[in-house]
Amino acid sequence: DVKVTQSSRYLVKRTGEKVFLECVQDMDHENMFWYRQDPGLGLRLIYFSYDVKMKEKGDIPEGYSVSREKKERFSLILESASTNQTSMYLCASSFSGKDYGYTFGSGTRLTVV
Amino acid sequence: GNSVTQMEGPVTLSEEAFLTINCTYTATGYPSLFWYVQYPGEGLQLLLKATKADDKGSNKGFEATYRKETTSFHLEKGSVQVSDSAVYFCALRTGSGYSTLTFGKGTMLLVSP
Repeated sequence: DVKVTQSSRYLVKRTGEKVFLECVQDMDHENMFWYRQDPGLGLRLIYFSYDVKMKEKGDIPEGYSVSREKKERFSLILESASTNQTSMYLCASSFSGKDYGYTFGSGTRLTVV
Repeated sequence: GNSVTQMEGPVTLSEEAFLTINCTYTATGYPSLFWYVQYPGEGLQLLLKATKADDKGSNKGFEATYRKETTSFHLEKGSVQVSDSAVYFCALRTGSGYSTLTFGKGTMLLVSP
């Protein structure tokens, strides 16, 4: 069964910590994406990557960075976690092209205290 | 730019009722259209898609027809079950190569026995 795996389902971190969220896909997808989901705000795109070592800013990149050193892995980094980054984080991947939807991971619920 | 508008929820139905969730879109070019479902505490799953005008996507009793003349992709099901309770997202993707999905804000469906 094809899948996108996020390393943690639940994570609690302290303010100011550097946080790494990992995502791995086994479908040989070129594209990978990080979203955050908050009540009433829907899905908001943080960063995406079209290919290895490539990255593009989404709608809300401030306070985040990403790394894609291998095709199957896309990491989201919170440089200095803050309480307003408490959220559900969703990773997704897809082939390039308009006819392809995304495959999502199960999500990581991050709480910053 | 691209946008997706969904009816606001929650939509509350009794088991075996008929379901319609409205979705309209604005897009440049000829998008592909998608419906995703998110069960509580999980990531999004692709429910169905249509890649050109007049196509009908279907899965698990759900259907949606790509209507170019009304720029719509309404989700329907003839008889809902309690297990269909979830949040439903309409989305579109345009262009070729480097493109992202544009999501609606989601519609919560609550089905009571």
